[in-house]
Amino acid sequence: DGGITQSPKYLFRKEGQNVTLSCEQNLNHDAMYWYRQDPGQGLRLIYYSQIVNDFQKGDIAEGYSVSREKKESFPLTVTSAQKNPTAFYLCASSGQDAGYEKLFFGSGTQLSVL
Amino acid sequence: DQQVKQNSPSLSVQEGRISILNCDYTNSMFDYFLWYKKYPAEGPTFLISISSIKDKNEDGRFTVFLNKSAKHLSLHIVPSQPGDSAVYFCAARWRSSGDKLTFGTGTRLAVRP
Repeated sequence: DGGITQSPKYLFRKEGQNVTLSCEQNLNHDAMYWYRQDPGQGLRLIYYSQIVNDFQKGDIAEGYSVSREKKESFPLTVTSAQKNPTAFYLCASSGQDAGYEKLFFGSGTQLSVL
Repeated sequence: DQQVKQNSPSLSVQEGRISILNCDYTNSMFDYFLWYKKYPAEGPTFLISISSIKDKNEDGRFTVFLNKSAKHLSLHIVPSQPGDSAVYFCAARWRSSGDKLTFGTGTRLAVRP
């Protein structure tokens, strides 16, 4: 049963704390992405990786870091430098489906600040 | 700079009627457009897409229309069902940017029984 698994579903961060959101996929996709959703806003790209050991900043990368040591895994760290971390975080990977490239999303992680 | 815009934050439709969700874009380099459906606290799921070489794509109750000269696309749902109630995101991509998608802000559709 292929898919994208994000954990945890809910996460709470204390002031000054770094937290890491997990994203694992077994779809054998090369490219993976992290998006952030805020109420009333679209999905904004944080970081993306098109291949193992390589990643690029998206539109709102400040205060975040990522790694891509394995094809299956693309964890996102929300650092203490991110001053407004409360949001719904979505991980995605892209692959071919019926001849077209599509993004496939995980079920998301809701991050809140205590 | 919002390159993909969904100007209607919400839409309410009677069950059985047509739902029309609109999306405008500013970047003429976009060559592929997608619609995603999202329920609360879940990830978006792919609904339907269209290439810029077409002006219409149909899949069951869902049809997407593309008007390149107006830089406008729309999603038609006929007939609308209560289970269609969700937030719908329009997204766009151009080939040279890789697989990165630019998303609109979403339209919340409510289908009344």
